[in-house]
Amino acid sequence: SAVISQKPSRDICQRGTSLTIQCQVDSQVTMMFWYRQQPGQSLTLIATANQGSEATYESGFVIDKFPISRPNLTFSTLTVSNMSPEDSSIYLCSAERANYGYTFGSGTRLTVV
Amino acid sequence: TQLLEQSPQFLSIQEGENLTVYCNSSSVFSSLQWYRQEPGEGPVLLVTVVTGGEVKKLKRLTFQFGDARKDSSLHITAAQPGDTGLYLCGGAGGTSYGKLTFGQGTILTVHP
Repeated sequence: SAVISQKPSRDICQRGTSLTIQCQVDSQVTMMFWYRQQPGQSLTLIATANQGSEATYESGFVIDKFPISRPNLTFSTLTVSNMSPEDSSIYLCSAERANYGYTFGSGTRLTVV
Repeated sequence: TQLLEQSPQFLSIQEGENLTVYCNSSSVFSSLQWYRQEPGEGPVLLVTVVTGGEVKKLKRLTFQFGDARKDSSLHITAAQPGDTGLYLCGGAGGTSYGKLTFGQGTILTVHP
């Protein structure tokens, strides 16, 4: 399956600041996805990132809060902007590759203080 | 909006017992994936089922896709402590092209 490298693996941030999370895939993929997950719970899709176009956001998530970049077919970033304690969560990126299904990064555990 | 109802949410069993996790939907999916996730890691794909009625086996794990491709089950035989983790089902296709719709997850704890 495709290997996805995600970093940072964890961070503790001050409220009001921003954090950018990076995901690198070891092969070209058309679609990349960003999720949020509370420990022990399911995943909530934030947005879908396609190369060459703006990301598509799910209900409840907006570009100003979670800007996404997708400069090429192997890389994407998610920024969590103007953070508050409510943004504390695990953030995961994912990619779909034909014949391999959906693969996930190892996640970024964010704590906002 | 496509929804996947996963049950049970929690399972706490003794080593050697059998268990089944269910995912049900009113929507049709082109495929359904099962994942296992451990703390501090991302979900790891266990299996993808594509054909209605399909049954796949992975050692002690048996996965089934419903005939109508609306539901799926994961059965574990003789559970072991190493099976402990969060199990997630994710449906692909249908009206949510390209996206996975996840169930609520099942936290499985297998006690030695």
